[in-house]
Amino acid sequence: KAGVTQTPRYLIKTRGQQVTLSCSPISGHRSVSWYQQTPGQGLQFLFEYFSETQRNKGNFPGRFSGRQFSNSRSEMNVSTLELGDSALYLCASRDRAGELFFGEGSRLTVL
Amino acid sequence: QKEVEQDPGPLSVPEGAIVSLNCTYSNSAFQYFMWYRQYSRKGPELLMYTYSSGNKEDGRFTAQVDKSSKYISLFIRDSQPSDSATYLCAIEGGSARQLTFGSGTQLTVLP
Repeated sequence: KAGVTQTPRYLIKTRGQQVTLSCSPISGHRSVSWYQQTPGQGLQFLFEYFSETQRNKGNFPGRFSGRQFSNSRSEMNVSTLELGDSALYLCASRDRAGELFFGEGSRLTVL
Repeated sequence: QKEVEQDPGPLSVPEGAIVSLNCTYSNSAFQYFMWYRQYSRKGPELLMYTYSSGNKEDGRFTAQVDKSSKYISLFIRDSQPSDSATYLCAIEGGSARQLTFGSGTQLTVLP
């Protein structure tokens, strides 16, 4: 069974640009969550989607947004990038028992 | 005060040692307690999951929860070099299905 797949794995952007990250959950998982991981703040919850609806949102500015498609695949977007947005962005899908399975992440560097 | 505080480490031990990793939390609404292991350049993977006070054992790993003290621990017996990773405690509770993570403890087991 394939795991959670995130693309791209690495990317470099400049301040002011926007970025879109993609996540394909494990087959059959309908819930997708996004987390940001930085050395200073650790792992922080961004948002969770279930059946194309945002169920929960963390304490991040409106520049961070996401969506989920009917096939459960999810994207997150960050607009007007800032240096502080450099981070590892992790996607996780949840099985029926509630366990979260993480992808390997998309490492974003903002110059 | 952060909702979840984790002993930061880093921690370096000889092979075969017993390792103790600890977290405290502040919100008594938290109900589910997890330990994740994260290898370098990988996403976190679930090690242990518990929702009650007491001990839960899985092979060389024991998770301990003390809800009265708001304290959780992970013990690793007979530690191996392959256990070298960052260990993250994570807590979930209330109506929001989001994990609150500790900052992580980097463990190195020396052969």
